[in-house]
Amino acid sequence: QLQLQESGPGLVKPSETLSLTCAVSGVSIRSSIYYWGWIRQPPGKGLEWIGSIYYSGNTYYNPSLQSRVTISVDTSKNQFSLKLRSVTAADTAMYYCATLRVTTNYYYNYMDVWGKGTTVTVSS
Amino acid sequence: QSALTQPASVSGSPGQSITISCTGTSSDVGSYNLVSWYQQHPGKAPKLMIYEDSKRPSGVSNRFSGSKSGNTASLTISGLQAEDESDYYCSSYAGSSTFVIFGGGTKLTVL
Repeated sequence: QLQLQESGPGLVKPSETLSLTCAVSGVSIRSSIYYWGWIRQPPGKGLEWIGSIYYSGNTYYNPSLQSRVTISVDTSKNQFSLKLRSVTAADTAMYYCATLRVTTNYYYNYMDVWGKGTTVTVSS
Repeated sequence: QSALTQPASVSGSPGQSITISCTGTSSDVGSYNLVSWYQQHPGKAPKLMIYEDSKRPSGVSNRFSGSKSGNTASLTISGLQAEDESDYYCSSYAGSSTFVIFGGGTKLTVL
């Protein structure tokens, strides 16, 4: 069945770039019914959508993070990645990757498969 | 775009029913039948409970139901059980400029 697994450094220094990868198994990342997304959750706080990508490379980003975020897809490795630049302590969070089911109009519908998450701490 | 508005906390006794509201605007919740609800236990990833306002994924108990009126969606849990104690989040499509929006989350306590 479809599974997602996040990976990347657990500690990033302030002002540097946070880089995470989500490995997809059980389905091709070229599936037409999914966008692939990143969501984060600071300690003790709620969920925040970071951005999403389609296998073609089409992306949507949270307007509040757009200037610092890049999401990319590697169809040859069946994975997608997140880069968040110029991080501060406010970027400390659990980072999840998830599948975003879309409608026939390519509207976001729901997130039905989630990775287990990876904790990223921003500290010197 | 602001987050969807949820109550910070709700509570109920075993066997009772509770409802969690999720208020958006005519640009998100009110414009599309695309509200989803997620349950998140401590230390775990969120789990999809309701999608397209009121549909239940396979495997989700029929004690969970969703509805919507205007710009406000609701999640109702009937026959409360101790295992329902969790955080709940709503989410909606928010148009092509924002795409995804979440609510702030509601902590459900089963007394």
